[in-house]
Amino acid sequence: AQSVTQPDIHITVSEGASLELRCNYSYGATPYLFWYVQSPGQGLQLLLKYFSGDTLVQGIKGFEAEFKRSQSSFNLRKPSVHWSDAAEYFCAVGGSNAGNMLTFGGGTRLMVKP
Amino acid sequence: DAGITQSPRHKVTETGTPVTLRCHQTENHRYMYWYRQDPGHGLRLIHYSYGVKDTDKGEVSDGYSVSRSKTEDFLLTLESATSSQTSVYFCAITPGGQSGQYFGPGTRLTVT
Repeated sequence: AQSVTQPDIHITVSEGASLELRCNYSYGATPYLFWYVQSPGQGLQLLLKYFSGDTLVQGIKGFEAEFKRSQSSFNLRKPSVHWSDAAEYFCAVGGSNAGNMLTFGGGTRLMVKP
Repeated sequence: DAGITQSPRHKVTETGTPVTLRCHQTENHRYMYWYRQDPGHGLRLIHYSYGVKDTDKGEVSDGYSVSRSKTEDFLLTLESATSSQTSVYFCAITPGGQSGQYFGPGTRLTVT
């Protein structure tokens, strides 16, 4: 069975500091990996996705993520956090199944200090 | 914007009453999904559809039913709402291939 673990429930960083959000997955085949962001009261927005090829993927809003197969990880990074990045972030894993089913992690809530 | 709307956006209902949530898409995507979101659980799949009249269960389907009589509409019904079904419900679609899923704005349901 596939699963996603986001070890950090809450993270607080100072504005301008770098950010790394952790994601570990379990999947029996080649995974498709995603990061979503959810602002309060909003739906989920796709930040970036990995399917194959270059293990460092770039997304919107200056985010990037690196796929490390040996560590079953897909961590999200941003070099300099802005106050508007405060939100909840979800990692998800899926595969090449026809239904594009996704399994989500529990989420990491990011708070940004001025 | 994936062209997904959900209605109602907020609803308060009493235990034991039936509730139907609607998801509408404008782009004729084949696959549609219903999730619920609860603190600490991320999103959990309730039901999904892979075409008109073609639906299947997800991880947390007990107490929920769905229907899809038109490509653009996917309905989620709570036959007899319970307090444990208080949650935020999200509809999603996928354009297919390697696109991932795109989400609607959500419906906040409170069962008192």
